[in-house]
Amino acid sequence: EAQVTQNPRYLITVTGKKLTVTCSQNMNHEYMSWYRQDPGLGLRQIYYSMNVEVTDKGDVPEGYKVSRKEKRNFPLILESPSPNQTSLYFCASSLVAGGAPKYFGPGTRLLVL
Amino acid sequence: SQQGEEDPQALSIQEGENATMNCSYKTSINNLQWYRQNSGRGLVHLILIRSNEREKHSGRLRVTLDTSKKSSSLLITASRAADTASYFCATEGFTGGFKTIFGAGTRLFVKA
Repeated sequence: EAQVTQNPRYLITVTGKKLTVTCSQNMNHEYMSWYRQDPGLGLRQIYYSMNVEVTDKGDVPEGYKVSRKEKRNFPLILESPSPNQTSLYFCASSLVAGGAPKYFGPGTRLLVL
Repeated sequence: SQQGEEDPQALSIQEGENATMNCSYKTSINNLQWYRQNSGRGLVHLILIRSNEREKHSGRLRVTLDTSKKSSSLLITASRAADTASYFCATEGFTGGFKTIFGAGTRLFVKA
């Protein structure tokens, strides 16, 4: 089954404790991206990747890092999480860049205390 | 920055009625897509309309695009309680990269 998976689905952490949210897709997609969703703000793009070793900033990249060492994986790294990064995070992918992604992961709810 | 803006923010209708949601955007686009999201879950892609298309249909969904007005509408005909969800438009355009910009969404509630 074609899917985008994220782990963990729920995470409670404390300020400053580094964390990684994994994202994996099984469709051999080139394009992957991360979004955060906050009430009243819709989804905002954090980072995207057009292929292996090619990443670029979205609209709200501050405080986040990503890497794309393999085509299927696109982890989101918070080196020093802060409370304003409490949000619902989505990973997404599509075959190629050039359009909003078609497949979304189930989301990761992050609470930073 | 938010480019897509949906209107209305919330909509409540009776089952069987049609629901119309609008989306406006600011810059030139390659295409525009509509998504549905059930509460707190991942987004489900509904339909894509390219900048050179004016109308597209998929089942009970009808999407129009007016590039001169920088707006799009999503019409759901004969709505069902299962259509209750938030609906988002997203644009990908000529912004110097493959950034995707989502609107804040329209919350649709269909009463049985």
